[in-house]
Amino acid sequence: LAKTTQPISMDSYEGQEVNITCSHNNIATNDYITWYQQFPSQGPRFIIQGYKTKVTNEVASLFIPADRKSSTLSLPRVSLSDTAVYYCLVGDNSRGRDDKIIFGKGTRLHILP
Amino acid sequence: DAGITQSPRHKVTETGTPVTLRCHQTENHRYMYWYRQDPGHGLRLIHYSYGVKDTDKGEVSDGYSVSRSKTEDFLLTLESATSSQTSVYFCAISDGGTLLEQYFGPGTRLTVT
Repeated sequence: LAKTTQPISMDSYEGQEVNITCSHNNIATNDYITWYQQFPSQGPRFIIQGYKTKVTNEVASLFIPADRKSSTLSLPRVSLSDTAVYYCLVGDNSRGRDDKIIFGKGTRLHILP
Repeated sequence: DAGITQSPRHKVTETGTPVTLRCHQTENHRYMYWYRQDPGHGLRLIHYSYGVKDTDKGEVSDGYSVSRSKTEDFLLTLESATSSQTSVYFCAISDGGTLLEQYFGPGTRLTVT
């Protein structure tokens, strides 16, 4: 899996849009970008996955520039309940690479009232 | 939420005793994983399974064994628990599609005294 770098922590306020950027300079052609959310005392939850340009679902948007060396998870109008750790993973989605799955330390997002 | 349960949810055991953690899924997903999560380390893959009786090692497999005799159950065994195995253990599942899209169970908090 490509090495990823993301901020250790971020603070924001309720109602704001939050953007968390992940750097992955050595991303490979077949790699996808995946984001997870983890609340305290719970397992990680899959949020969104993309390959290029923009992906949007009911929870978040994922922006991927043309060079794919970084990506940005965008959370619209956050609330206190969005306080969590967010993990960026980059890797080939092909089977046979299951042992290469690595979750980094993530970004600890703290939403303030 | 994906139908994944883990048992027990909490366990305290003594050094040297055997411990088995169970992951049960109702999604009929082919792939199952065991991770451990420790402060400062994120999630690390212990073992995974790509089908009944088909398992393989992850990043931190020493001291652990697994078994999968049925699609729905994936067991993680600590043959002789050590204090370094005190951790939160998560089970995850995924279908035959994308490797990086996994669904996690609620976790088991294991304390080895």
